[in-house]
Amino acid sequence: DADVTQTPRNRITKTGKRIMLECSQTKGHDRMYWYRQDPGLGLRLIYYSFDVKDINKGEISDGYSVSRQAQAKFSLSLESAIPNQTALYFCATSDGQRGPGNEQFFGPGTRLTVL
Amino acid sequence: DAKTTQPNSMESNEEEPVHLPCNHSTISGTDYIHWYRQLPSQGPEYVIHGLTSNVNNRMASLAIAEDRKSSTLILHRATLRDAAVYYCILRPVLGEKAAGNKLTFGGGTRVLVKP
Repeated sequence: DADVTQTPRNRITKTGKRIMLECSQTKGHDRMYWYRQDPGLGLRLIYYSFDVKDINKGEISDGYSVSRQAQAKFSLSLESAIPNQTALYFCATSDGQRGPGNEQFFGPGTRLTVL
Repeated sequence: DAKTTQPNSMESNEEEPVHLPCNHSTISGTDYIHWYRQLPSQGPEYVIHGLTSNVNNRMASLAIAEDRKSSTLILHRATLRDAAVYYCILRPVLGEKAAGNKLTFGGGTRVLVKP
């Protein structure tokens, strides 16, 4: 079984709809992240959480919100989806106890299309 | 954030070594050098990281210039499964929490492996 799972894997929605993307991990990591990737580009950080009560905005948080329901679950919401939020979304986790070199483990991604 | 520069693409023959350069002339003394790769239709995966000394692991080797202004990722024997986009990333150590422990992805190098 995958260590980092994302649901749904694909989603098509309409402008103005509320969408929630979910991420779960079985690695026991304290840190979780949400990134988006636009075609041909690298990933950009949306939100990150160092533990359940520590949630922070990343570089492109406008239009998004998150919820860390438990250490293993981190959800990303688009309150009112717009077409330029069409992208590939990745969740990632890392172990903060491993120090500054800690690697991030990524989920398989959610492809979101906003019409 | 310190910037990295990588070639857009490289080609290699199967079972030959691949040397992927990365320039990071504005690196600070507390930046770690990380490499990730992204296989087609997958999330990024960690490859290797280092600070000052050369590093080896089961996937690759990382050679870091003495002045740390450049580094090279070495795939010793490329296989078809190594075809991916390889990202060179600088991660700050100081102020880690403020920086979000984030990975700042550039455009990366697309590696094509020919049979």
